[in-house]
Amino acid sequence: KQEVTQIPAALSVPEGENLVLNCSFTDSAIYNLQWFRQDPGKGLTSLLLIQSSQREQTSGRLNASLDKSSGRSTLYIAASQPGDSATYLCAVEGDSSYKLIFGSGTRLLVRP
Amino acid sequence: DTAVSQTPKYLVTQMGNDKSIKCEQNLGHDTMYWYKQDSKKFLKIMFSYNNKELIINETVPNRFSPKSPDKAHLNLHINSLELGDSAVYFCASSQAWGQGISPLHFGNGTRLTVT
Repeated sequence: KQEVTQIPAALSVPEGENLVLNCSFTDSAIYNLQWFRQDPGKGLTSLLLIQSSQREQTSGRLNASLDKSSGRSTLYIAASQPGDSATYLCAVEGDSSYKLIFGSGTRLLVRP
Repeated sequence: DTAVSQTPKYLVTQMGNDKSIKCEQNLGHDTMYWYKQDSKKFLKIMFSYNNKELIINETVPNRFSPKSPDKAHLNLHINSLELGDSAVYFCASSQAWGQGISPLHFGNGTRLTVT
């Protein structure tokens, strides 16, 4: 059974800092790994999708890496801004179940 | 605006009532989903429909019944509501199912409170 864990659960950093959010999963048989952002009272916004054959994806100040064999992914945020404050969730899609299994998220606060 | 929209945004009701949540996507996607986010913020899949056909049905009480009249709509009907049903319910869609390449697009959620 796939389990997704995100560490840390919460993170507070000063504006401008580079930061790394971690995601680990127990079953490496995945189709893809997705990173989402959730703002309070809102739905999830897709940030990056890494297919199982890929090692990383980049979008603006965000870079996500995937190491399938070790069951890990990181989301790197460069030059953090207060507007980056949100909960970040990672999710993996199983290659046989096609279900997206979510971690519990990392709540990020970027202080001005 | 192209989006996944769900109504209502808030739903407060008493135990034992029956209620429905509606979802529509105008992204032209083939696959739609219902997710439940509990008080600890865990998101769990409940149902998935691909081209109006049920393809994922998690261990959900049969008081929950999804209905997809067409591939742009997926509604969720809940009978005999219980206190434990209180949660935020998210509708989502993706371009295709089972290909691993299309990200999910989420609605803004329906916060259900059962009193």
